[in-house]
Amino acid sequence: GQQLNQSPQSMFIQEGEDVSMNCTSSSIFNTWLWYKQDPGEGPVLLIALYKAGELTSNGRLTAQFGITRKDSFLNISASIPSDVGIYFCAGSSGGGADGLTFGKGTHLIIQP
Amino acid sequence: DAGVIQSPRHEVTEMGQEVTLRCKPISGHDYLFWYRQTMMRGLELLIYFNNNVPIDDSGMPEDRFSAKMPNASFSTLKIQPSEPRDSAVYFCASRLRSNTEAFFGQGTRLTVV
Repeated sequence: GQQLNQSPQSMFIQEGEDVSMNCTSSSIFNTWLWYKQDPGEGPVLLIALYKAGELTSNGRLTAQFGITRKDSFLNISASIPSDVGIYFCAGSSGGGADGLTFGKGTHLIIQP
Repeated sequence: DAGVIQSPRHEVTEMGQEVTLRCKPISGHDYLFWYRQTMMRGLELLIYFNNNVPIDDSGMPEDRFSAKMPNASFSTLKIQPSEPRDSAVYFCASRLRSNTEAFFGQGTRLTVV
């Protein structure tokens, strides 16, 4: 089946630093999504990308849909304590009728 | 909108018992998904429904797992009999037909002892 490789697995950073994480796939996706999960909660959608090459921002978050359709990255600028959590990439290859394939997540830890 | 609602939030049961997890999707959403999250395997799609009809159940681990969606506002995931390796967080998610932005519930943490 399809697999997403997400890296890094975890990040230990200082407050105020920028963060970058990415996902690569062995197959093409038509949609890339980035979610954040807080402890004890379900994943919450951060950014959705629908076109190859698309660059989208949501506040301090910026994500890009790779030209090859096999990768995506998420950047967080000027990290703050509430950014702590697990970030997941997810991809969809169908026309909208299938479920999402998730990466294993990037655990972000911020040291004050 | 209250979002996707799952119950119970936590379930502890003994091996061999039947477990039923419940989900109420966002009103008007045509698709409903059941996912399982574990440390080892991450988030895995178990089954999804479109307009209450099961479309793909290839992710259901074995016959002990079954899911139903009797109407547009309710779905259940049943495990019978439960085993310790079924311990995980089970998420329900729903989305509109026109996009793939799935919205997740808070999950049910299942522990089988």
